[in-house]
Formats: sequence, structure tokens, C-alpha cells
Amino acid sequence: NAGVMQNPRHLVRRRGQEARLRCSPMKGHSHVYWYRQLPEEGLKFMVYLQKENIIDESGMPKERFSAEFPKEGPSILRIQQVVRGDSAAYFCASSRRGDTEAFFGQGTRLTVV
Amino acid sequence: AQTVTQSQPEMSVQEAETVTLSCTYDTSESDYYLFWYKQPPSRQMILVIRQEAYKQQNATENRFSVNFQKAAKSFSLKISDSQLGDAAMYFCAYKRGETSGSRLTFGEGTQLTVNP
Repeated sequence: NAGVMQNPRHLVRRRGQEARLRCSPMKGHSHVYWYRQLPEEGLKFMVYLQKENIIDESGMPKERFSAEFPKEGPSILRIQQVVRGDSAAYFCASSRRGDTEAFFGQGTRLTVV
Repeated sequence: AQTVTQSQPEMSVQEAETVTLSCTYDTSESDYYLFWYKQPPSRQMILVIRQEAYKQQNATENRFSVNFQKAAKSFSLKISDSQLGDAAMYFCAYKRGETSGSRLTFGEGTQLTVNP
């Protein structure tokens, strides 16, 4: 049973471009969480999704950021018009149910140049 | 809002010795879970140990154990017989006990160094 798969592992974007980060949850997991880790800091919650539904997006910046988890395919975190401050590691986690522990992917390190 | 505080940005321990990492949290909930995650240089987040708030018995996983003091809202991690591979950033995390799902709230982390 493969773990949570995130791709790409590293992503470099120029200011103003779009970044698309993908997360394939573990088999049988229908709950997906996205977290952001700035350098030298802990992980900060961004958004919680179940299949085709956004459950909690209270940690998402109001502009430029969006997330989806379609019926088929991976969850996508999309950042439009990236800025230097978006440079961070973005982690996805999945769980089978809401009350079970979440397993993390290896993260995507986004660098905005 | 729930908060998690790790007051030790850095800790060090000699190989084979014991070290304790501190964590306190603030919540008005009665049903919740607490976790310790390890993040080595590879950045992979690895679950070390989990504690349900309703359980009085402290969780143990091999060399890792916790001291859960619910009234004091304290959740420390003890690593016994420390090994070089234990060197990592350790994060304490809190999660509300909802079957419908809820986020993890992390502390800022403690960087653990293991000296040979």
C-alpha cells in the first residue's frame, strides 16, 4: 500500500506564474489535508477536503490560493500569481476517517524566484 | 482557538541517554488527540506516538513514551536510549476528537541533536 504521494518534490516558479501541487492520498483514504511549512517554522493548516467537498478552508489565504479534491484523481493545491512569500514546503496528509491519524506525504518544496 | 506550545527550540542528548521534550496546549474541548511527529532532514513527517485524551494511561511505543497530564494540559515526550537516528525536529500536535475530521495544530518544534 503506497503512502501519500506528492508531486513534484521540488517546484521552481517565477513571480507571477502559477504553481500546481498534487497529492494522491493513500488507498482507501477520503480525507485530505494541506499544510504549509515556512522555513524554521512549524506546519500551519491550510485546507481540509473530502471527495468533491471543501470541509474547512479557514487556513487558506483569501486570494490566489485554491484547492480541490475531485471524485477521480489527486487533490490539487493551486497558487496563482506566486510571490516570493509563497516559497515554502507544502505538505499533504490523508486519513481514512476523520478521527484516525493522518499520514503525510514527503512534501513539495516551492521556490519562487 | 487551540494552541500548542513547545518551549524548547533546541535540545541535545548523548547517545544512549534519555531526553524529554516538553509540550503544552490550550483547549476548551474534552475530547481530543495529541501526537508527536518527527521530521528528519528528509522532511518526511513521521508519526511517533499518539495519545487519546480520554485514556489515563500514558502511550508507549518502544523507546518513546509520553507523560500526559490532562489537568495541566501538558504532553511531554521521553526518548530512552537515544540513538543517532533520533536526531530530527520534533513537533507536538493537537487534534479535536471529531469523527467528521479536524485539522492538526502544531507547535513550533524542538530540534533534537544526538551526540555520539
